[in-house]
Amino acid sequence: QKEVEQNSGPLSVPEGAIASLNCTYSDRVSQSFFWYRQYSGKSPELIMSIYSNGDKEDGRFTAQLNKASQYVSLLIRDSQPSDSATYLCAVRRHSSASKIIFGSGTRLSIRP
Amino acid sequence: NAGVMQNPRHLVRRRGQEARLRCSPMKGHSHVYWYRQLPEEGLKFMVYLQKENIIDESGMPKERFSAEFPKEGPSILRIQQVVRGDSAAYFCASSPNREATNEKLFFGSGTQLSVL
Repeated sequence: QKEVEQNSGPLSVPEGAIASLNCTYSDRVSQSFFWYRQYSGKSPELIMSIYSNGDKEDGRFTAQLNKASQYVSLLIRDSQPSDSATYLCAVRRHSSASKIIFGSGTRLSIRP
Repeated sequence: NAGVMQNPRHLVRRRGQEARLRCSPMKGHSHVYWYRQLPEEGLKFMVYLQKENIIDESGMPKERFSAEFPKEGPSILRIQQVVRGDSAAYFCASSPNREATNEKLFFGSGTQLSVL
């Protein structure tokens, strides 16, 4: 079982709709969760972080965390063509000496 | 305020040669991570370093690969006797100097290694 799993996609969503990206993780002691966006040929950039159960909203983005189900998701409202990218879920365990593990990413395509 | 600097951006090596990839973290950051990425794949963890210490090298092959982060100067990822399978994008990321689990990573632009 992979430590961090994501559906590779591609996920195709019409412009203006809600895009929903999902991620599961295997290590129950994980504490920190991140969503990174990576455009083709570019480096990843952080868009959201979440540390406690529930929802966290930042503009058009909402991260959702359910530690009991070991599940974290990212919702993108009012999807724009510029949101087309690969979204990487990342997880860190409980100690500061822990590595940050990435999922394989979900390719999102927003169709006009 | 310069971001994470990686060089070179592109590196071409013949099989059997050595590759040296450099990473200068953001100012004030003393934690460095190296990741490898193959086309259409995610980031694979290689090594996590603090100044003069290797914290976790569980993702790095035991042979031919080494990493360092000296007190002065950039972090270096060294690949000896490169093979075609080493061709990939290598990303460096840094995070701030504090003991916290919510540290965010700031990535460099990556080095694309091509082995002929």
